[in-house]
Amino acid sequence: GESVGLHLPTLSVQEGDNSIINCAYSNSASDYFIWYKQESGKGPQFIIDIRSNMDKRQGQRVTVLLNKTVKHLSLQIAATQPGDSAVYFCAETRAGETSGSRLTFGEGTQLTVNP
Amino acid sequence: KAGVTQTPRYLIKTRGQQVTLSCSPISGHRSVSWYQQTPGQGLQFLFEYFSETQRNKGNFPGRFSGRQFSNSRSEMNVSTLELGDSALYLCASSLEGREGVDEQFFGPGTRLTVL
Repeated sequence: GESVGLHLPTLSVQEGDNSIINCAYSNSASDYFIWYKQESGKGPQFIIDIRSNMDKRQGQRVTVLLNKTVKHLSLQIAATQPGDSAVYFCAETRAGETSGSRLTFGEGTQLTVNP
Repeated sequence: KAGVTQTPRYLIKTRGQQVTLSCSPISGHRSVSWYQQTPGQGLQFLFEYFSETQRNKGNFPGRFSGRQFSNSRSEMNVSTLELGDSALYLCASSLEGREGVDEQFFGPGTRLTVL
């Protein structure tokens, strides 16, 4: 079936470096994408989202890039800090669906930030 | 304001038993979604409730069911438990479940272990 997948299960970076986490999706009907951060013992937490009519969106220290041609999105974290250590998930859905909420999640990437 | 709360946080059951998990959404939120998280399958959508009605359903067997009460609190039930049902069950709430409009907030989850 269609799914959202991540390229790398783990990523280790040095504190202060920039991190890039990738995600490939296969459902061409998806038009809304979200990145979540999940720390140990907690539920996923919203980081940033992007709609398919955009190719880049920036937040505080984070940037999401969307390439619809190859069905790929990435999360860039600037000046990575130890507090950024967590599992990162991408999720996709169709915005404004009257059928209600339903997210399809990727497999997750474990980001480890070394001091 | 208080976040999404889930009870119990941890649960141990044996095969064949049934279990009921509870979720209290953020005050004012009417949409409640449930997800199963396992190391092998990742985060998978179970179902979504809105105004006491199941509006969306994932690909899980009929042993998995849920309901929503008039105060938007939701419960999910798993009958005839199997070892493979061991997972973190996450609940998420949003205002009306409109993707791209209403942010979903996740609870900390209920860790179910089936022995």
